[in-house]
This record gives sequence, C-alpha cells and structure tokens, in this order.
Amino acid sequence: DVVLTQSPLSLPVTLGQPASISCRSSQSLVYNNGYTYLNWFQQRPGQSPRLLIYKVFNRDSGVPDRFSGSGSGTDFTLKISRVEAEDVGVYYCMQGLHWPYTFGQGTKLEIK
Amino acid sequence: QVQLQESGPRLLKPSGTLSLTCAVSGASISSSNWWSWVRQPPGKGLEWIGEIYHDGSTNYNPSLESRVTMSVDKSKNQFSLKLTSLTATDTAVYYCARDVSSDQQLATWGQGILVTVSS
Repeated sequence: DVVLTQSPLSLPVTLGQPASISCRSSQSLVYNNGYTYLNWFQQRPGQSPRLLIYKVFNRDSGVPDRFSGSGSGTDFTLKISRVEAEDVGVYYCMQGLHWPYTFGQGTKLEIK
Repeated sequence: QVQLQESGPRLLKPSGTLSLTCAVSGASISSSNWWSWVRQPPGKGLEWIGEIYHDGSTNYNPSLESRVTMSVDKSKNQFSLKLTSLTATDTAVYYCARDVSSDQQLATWGQGILVTVSS
C-alpha cells in the first residue's frame, strides 16, 4: 500500500497566522495522463470529512481561497494563509491513484 | 444538492455480519460516479474500505477483501456494504461517499453511522 506521512501531527496556530501541513508519499502519485491524484480533507470536530483540495491544488467548490495546495511527485503541502477559528479540526491527505486508496495519519490543527 | 444517508444496525456481536445501506438523494446511482465506503475507528484516522460503480464493478481494500461485499440497488437508488466475521476492531464510524468526477474523489459524504461490535 502507498504510505502517506503527514507532518506535523499536531499544529497549534495563532488566529490570523499561516499554517502549513506536509504530506509525503511512498510512491509517485502521477498518473499517465499527467495528473497527480493527491487530495486534502478537513474534518471538523464531530463532522464528516470534507474535500478541500483535489489533484494537488484545485479547491473544491465553496472552499475559501485561504486554503491552497501545492507539490509534485511525492511531496505535497497544504497551506492556510490566515487561520480562522472555523479551521480547527483534523486535516488528512489522501491518494486516489493506487488501490487501495490511503490516507495520511491526520494533522490536528488547534488555536494557540 | 446531493445527499447521502447511512443506515443499519448500530450494535453487533463478534462473529456477526455488518450490513449498511447508503441512500442517495439528488443524484442517480447510475450516474458516472464511484460510490465508496470509508470507516474511522473512534479517535483514529480514516480507512478506505472500497468502492462500487453502478454496473457492479468493485475495488476493495485487500486488508478487508475477504470479508467485504458491496452492491448497488438501482431501483432504490442506494448502495450497500456487507462486512462479515466481525471483531471489536471493526468498531468504527462508517461513512458512505461519492466521487463527483474522476477528479473530485470522495467529494460528497454521508453523516456517518457508528457501529459498535461488542458481546
């Protein structure tokens, strides 16, 4: 299975400050069509996961533009430009190229 | 607006069988999407169980493949998950989810259902 390793696992952030989460894959996530199937999900406390970013950098509908994704090959990053209170929760990267699809361990974002 | 709703028994005994259904509203189960199941043990991360297409094609997680069966019921616009030989480690919130497109994987999720396996 493809292993996704996230860091940090815990992320205390001051309101209004930026935040960054890394996700490294044990295998390339580039398909032969040239697209890279790395997604980011947000799970707020007590809620279902929500797709934030698909194919590395594409924001899903309704996702604020303070969220951005970047990276290539096996190394990816989710950035929040200015953290707001509603951003508290756990963030997961997920690869959707190799079966079985796999998730990172999750990064818990909290307000400092 | 597409909505997914999981239903099924919430308390099961070890060695028993889990049977869950995901009712789809706002979209046809026969649309060009994959329909997935994902689970999350209490306080832990997400595990992809598998996916099914409207024609019955499936992809399962090898770690569960010997115990998992997914099916689609077009007449009821729903899809289902069956997991056999349950143990306490199968205790989890089970989510159904939908790919909006081949690009937007797991873009729509149900609210989840907590299934507890205990004697």
